[in-house]
Amino acid sequence: NAGVTQTPKFQVLKTGQSMTLQCAQDMNHEYMSWYRQDPGMGLRLIHYSVGAGITDQGEVPNGYNVSRSTTEDFPLRLLSAAPSQTSVYFCASSYSISGSLTEAFFGQGTRLTVV
Amino acid sequence: QQQVKQSPQSLIVQKGGISIINCAYENTAFDYFPWYQQFPGKGPALLIAIRPDVSEKKEGRFTISFNKSAKQFSLHIMDSQPGDSATYFCAASKNTDKLIFGTGTRLQVFP
Repeated sequence: NAGVTQTPKFQVLKTGQSMTLQCAQDMNHEYMSWYRQDPGMGLRLIHYSVGAGITDQGEVPNGYNVSRSTTEDFPLRLLSAAPSQTSVYFCASSYSISGSLTEAFFGQGTRLTVV
Repeated sequence: QQQVKQSPQSLIVQKGGISIINCAYENTAFDYFPWYQQFPGKGPALLIAIRPDVSEKKEGRFTISFNKSAKQFSLHIMDSQPGDSATYFCAASKNTDKLIFGTGTRLQVFP
């Protein structure tokens, strides 16, 4: 049972380069999210999806794009990387019971450095 | 605007002591309040969660106390152990809306 799988684990980008962080879950969860974690800032929500074809912005969406073409996959795209996007990125998935969220399962994270 | 405020930022406790981490929220519509534990190099993992229809939930050495009128909830770790050394996050959500996290507390338990 793989859970939430993120790739790559580590990445170094040059300013202006683009890349996609991959996230896949095999639990048939409806909800998927991307967070970034920075020292002293906690986990800040970037983008959020409540199902295939539906996405919404979180607290810090600028510079990031997402799409959700299938239930399983939720890739995060950086179109033109900036040093301010140096961070650890986490993907999470969850489901609901009786109209309320339940446990969120997190991937192992992607450590991104933009130079 | 920070919807979930967490304190303290860091906490040092002696083995066997009680660790207490506090969170305050603003949105009275929040209906799910989980605590996550994160070890270095790993993703956060659910530790314990509570819904607003109860004032306390206990699982082993971990207890959530919930005060709906004060809009506060806290995590108590009894008999703290060195293996509890980690970063702890509180969080909150409304219905099936996004899960909002606090800024985290780094707990160090010394033997």
